[in-house]
Parts: sequence; C-alpha cells; structure tokens
Amino acid sequence: AQSVTQLDSHVSVSEGTPVLLRCNYSSSYSPSLFWYVQHPNKGLQLLLKYTSAATLVKGINGFEAEFKKSETSFHLTKPSAHMSDAAEYFCVVTLYSSASKIIFGSGTRLSIRP
Amino acid sequence: GAGVSQSPRYKVAKRGQDVALRCDPISGHVSLFWYQQALGQGPEFLTYFQNEAQLDKSGLPSDRFFAERPEGSVSTLKIQRTQQEDSAVYLCASSQISRPGTGSETQYFGPGTRLLVL
Repeated sequence: AQSVTQLDSHVSVSEGTPVLLRCNYSSSYSPSLFWYVQHPNKGLQLLLKYTSAATLVKGINGFEAEFKKSETSFHLTKPSAHMSDAAEYFCVVTLYSSASKIIFGSGTRLSIRP
Repeated sequence: GAGVSQSPRYKVAKRGQDVALRCDPISGHVSLFWYQQALGQGPEFLTYFQNEAQLDKSGLPSDRFFAERPEGSVSTLKIQRTQQEDSAVYLCASSQISRPGTGSETQYFGPGTRLLVL
C-alpha cells in the first residue's frame, strides 16, 4: 500500500525567510513523487517531480525538493519566501507502474508574513 | 485552448437532482483523470481514462457516479440523485503519455467545478 503524509497543515513564515514543507511517503514500489501548488480559485500547478533520476529536484519559482529514500521523505524547500508563494501545497505519490494509483497528501497551507 | 477547461465553474443543485460536469482536456492528451476535493482536503482519485477506455473507476464513491469519454477527448462526470455529501470541488486533469501509464506523467489540472448540494 502507498500513502503520503504532510506533517504540517499550516506553515507561516516571514517574507524573505526560508520555507520548509514536509512530506513523508510510504510505498512498496519505486514511487514517483510530485509537489503541486494550488492558489485560491485556480487549478493545481506542478512545482516539481521526482521520477528516479536525480534525488535533488529543482522546480519552478525557486522551489526544490530532495528525495531521501532512507528517510522516506520528499520535503519542499525555498531559500527565500515571497508574498506570492502564499497558497496550498500538495505532496503526491504515484506507483511507478500505474498511472492511476495516485495519492494526494492532505495539503499544507503556506502563509507569508510581510 | 491552452489548458484544461471545466464547466460549469459553479453548480448549485437541490438534493436528488442529477448533475453533469464537463471536462475539456488539453488537445492530444491521452489520459484523463477525475478527482473529488472536499473542503480542506487533498484531491481524491475518482476515475481514469486512457483515450475512450475507462481503465480505473475504483475511486467512484457509489453507483450514483458515472463518467464517460466516448470519443477519447471531452469527458463528462455525472452524479445522479445528488446528496449533500457530494458537495465538493470536482477536478479534471489530463496528461500526455508515450507508453502505458508509468505514473510519472505530469498531470495538468483544470480550475475545477465547485458543486454545492442543498
């Protein structure tokens, strides 16, 4: 069975400070891992994905994530938060062998303080 | 269009009414997915199409839910005899695959249809 856990439902940081959104996964097989962002009243947008290539994945808007198999983690980071980063972030795991075995985390709401 | 579109964007239905939600995927995308997102939750998988074939409908919550994609392009999610617990945002996503689903394809999401059942 596979699952994904986002450890924080809400994260608040000051503008210009680092962002860390945590995600742990469970998968019996080689997973693909994704981070999506959802701004209010807008569709989900892909930030980055891991598909068994480089363990450090760089995405859009300065975000990156590191796949750590030993820790079963795929945390999302950004060195310096911007006001426009305020949104809901979802960690997603899929089974490498199946297009439809897709599990979303419950989401982390990121707030940015001026 | 450049992205996935969904209509209507908002739908209010009386309990017991049937509704139909439409998804227009990105042109040429083989795979199409439907998700249900309850308030404050992450999306939950409902069903998956590869072209016109519905390969997985394990996420449909009851037999009141039905999805089709007859020509392998536009898809419709139909909910019969709506109940209050059906209130949610229904998301559609499409992806382009070069070989049968490996799970690594990027999905492109539409803006969703917000359904409220009174």
